[in-house]
Formats: sequence, C-alpha cells, structure tokens
Amino acid sequence: EVQLVESGGGLVQPGRALRLSCATSGFTFGDYLINWFRQAAGKGPEWVGFTRSRTYGGTTEYAASVKGRFTISRDDSKTIVYMQMNSLKTEDTAVYYCEVGGYWGQGTLVTVSS
Amino acid sequence: DIQMTQSPSSLSASVGDRVTITCQASQDIANYLNWYQQKPGKAPKLLIYDASTLEIGVPTRFSGSGSGTDFTFTISSLQPEDTATYYCQQYDTLLPLTFGGGTRVEIK
Repeated sequence: EVQLVESGGGLVQPGRALRLSCATSGFTFGDYLINWFRQAAGKGPEWVGFTRSRTYGGTTEYAASVKGRFTISRDDSKTIVYMQMNSLKTEDTAVYYCEVGGYWGQGTLVTVSS
Repeated sequence: DIQMTQSPSSLSASVGDRVTITCQASQDIANYLNWYQQKPGKAPKLLIYDASTLEIGVPTRFSGSGSGTDFTFTISSLQPEDTATYYCQQYDTLLPLTFGGGTRVEIK
C-alpha cells in the first residue's frame, strides 16, 4: 500500500525558513517522479514543484512563484522527499501535500505570519 | 501557462441525477488530464487519469471523456457521498501543472 506522510509544517515568520519532509513507503521510490502541491484555505490546489525519478537524475522543476526560494531533494536510501522553503512569504501559507502516481499524503500546514 | 477553465463553479442536484462538469484547456493537452474529488479537510483523491481511465476502486458511476482542449466529467447517478469539490488538472509536458477552478457539488 502506497503511503505518504508529510511533516515539518508549522508557524513561521515571514522571511524565515522551513523544511518539509515526505516519508514514503509501498512503492519503488527511485522509479517515481514525486510532486509537491499546496492548497491555501478556500482555494484550489497549486503545483509547487517536483523531483524526477532516479532515471532522470532526480532533477527538479518549480512553479514560478517559488523558484529560487524552494528546493526539493530526495533521499532514495531513506525514501524521503524534502522541500526546503526559504524566504517565506505570507502568501506561502497553505497545506502542503506530496503526491506520487495519484496518491497524496494527508498534508502539513504551513502558516507564515508575524 | 496552460489555463484550465472549469464549469460550473457549483451545482446542486438530486440523488440519482446525472451530473456533468466540463473543463476546457487553453491549448491542446492531448489526454493528459486528471479528475480529482476533494472532501473538506481531506487531500484530493484521484478518480480519473488520462482523461477517461477510471482509477482502481473508483465507482463506475464516475466517467470522463474528451481530448485536445475539451473534457467532460460525469457522475451518472449522483449519490449522497459524492458531495465534494471536483477539480480537473492537466499534466502536459509544458509546465506548470495547472488545475481548473473547481466545481462544488451539493445534494439538493
């Protein structure tokens, strides 16, 4: 059974950093592209970025709104995906989800506020 | 960016009714389209991928069709548990991945 568990969310001041984790199990981790999405309260989901599979070197792509501030990485030995979020803005406030092959985690809430 | 225009934004229908939601892409996305169901406080749940392929375990009253720029999602006989917000999402090779604005489905 595919499982994705996000963690690392919380309340952070604007301009500070936070690192989210997505712990996975139930599939061959290295073979899959893994997405991060986010959803602000009352809004639709928004794609944040992804890391490609091992075959494609785990390379990453990002939405314009986070490019240069967020960095996605993956640890194939631990089957965990990370997202380092720097220079956080109030508009980054959202529930953050990781996703693989249509399976989503339960999400972790990030609140950026002074 | 590829814009996804989803309509209606909300609808109210009776149990047993046929419900149809449309999604239009701003450019050709072939059949690279997902349909998701989301209930309050929960993550989106994938119902249909590749525009018309039903995810394993999803009831057959859900269906999708279309290709290119015009897509349709149908619930053939609305059930009380189908109350949710539904989103289309394109995954063409041209990034970013984008979603429609959502359709809130309620029982009349």
